[in-house]
Amino acid sequence: AQKVTQAQTEISVVEKEDVTLDCVYETRDTTYYLFWYKQPPSGELVFLIRRNSFDEQNEISGRYSWNFQKSTSSFNFTITASQVVDSAVYFCALSERGRGSTLGRLYFGRGTQLTVWP
Amino acid sequence: GAVVSQHPSWVICKSGTSVKIECRSLDFQATTMFWYRQFPKQSLMLMATSNEGSKATYEQGVEKDKFLINHASLTLSTLTVTSAHPEDSSFYICSARVAGGGNTGELFFGEGSRLTVL
Repeated sequence: AQKVTQAQTEISVVEKEDVTLDCVYETRDTTYYLFWYKQPPSGELVFLIRRNSFDEQNEISGRYSWNFQKSTSSFNFTITASQVVDSAVYFCALSERGRGSTLGRLYFGRGTQLTVWP
Repeated sequence: GAVVSQHPSWVICKSGTSVKIECRSLDFQATTMFWYRQFPKQSLMLMATSNEGSKATYEQGVEKDKFLINHASLTLSTLTVTSAHPEDSSFYICSARVAGGGNTGELFFGEGSRLTVL
């Protein structure tokens, strides 16, 4: 079963539009971590945020904001006033702490390709 | 943040040859390193977990004799693709977990290595 689901394969917006990338996860652990990474065309993974399962406060960092809702097992990512430089693939990922799991191992979603047009 | 360096960043080789990719943690010690593989426009799939001083743990379906992983020190893990074939062409990314960091999410990714087998 897919532990992390990113239903949106591709999203295209025009510059200055707001865009939300969805992420739904599945785990039986009570302690876990959620991540968002950005992968530009060059390939490297750029860390954006880490959130633990006990912290449901929404977070804002500049134009980026994250909405963590345990009730719906979602960790959505919103970019406000998008820019061309935001064009990239965005991955949501989960790390579990349960017995038998490999500490630090990440389960990645399939990624959402975001294209921002000028 | 901490730096993980991968080398080479890209490599082209002939079918049947072996290729070694290095993953180094430059300013921290990493007891555990993870090797991921990413096909074009696909998600990252964990190949194996590499623990310093012990044998790597491979994911189901990953041939351990083909993808040799060595983690000889706290700052270096290597992935050797033996007898490479065109289907091994992919983007390989390593990540390193800070020693003693538990599962707090202190993971750092390398820049990735793009392998093309002719």
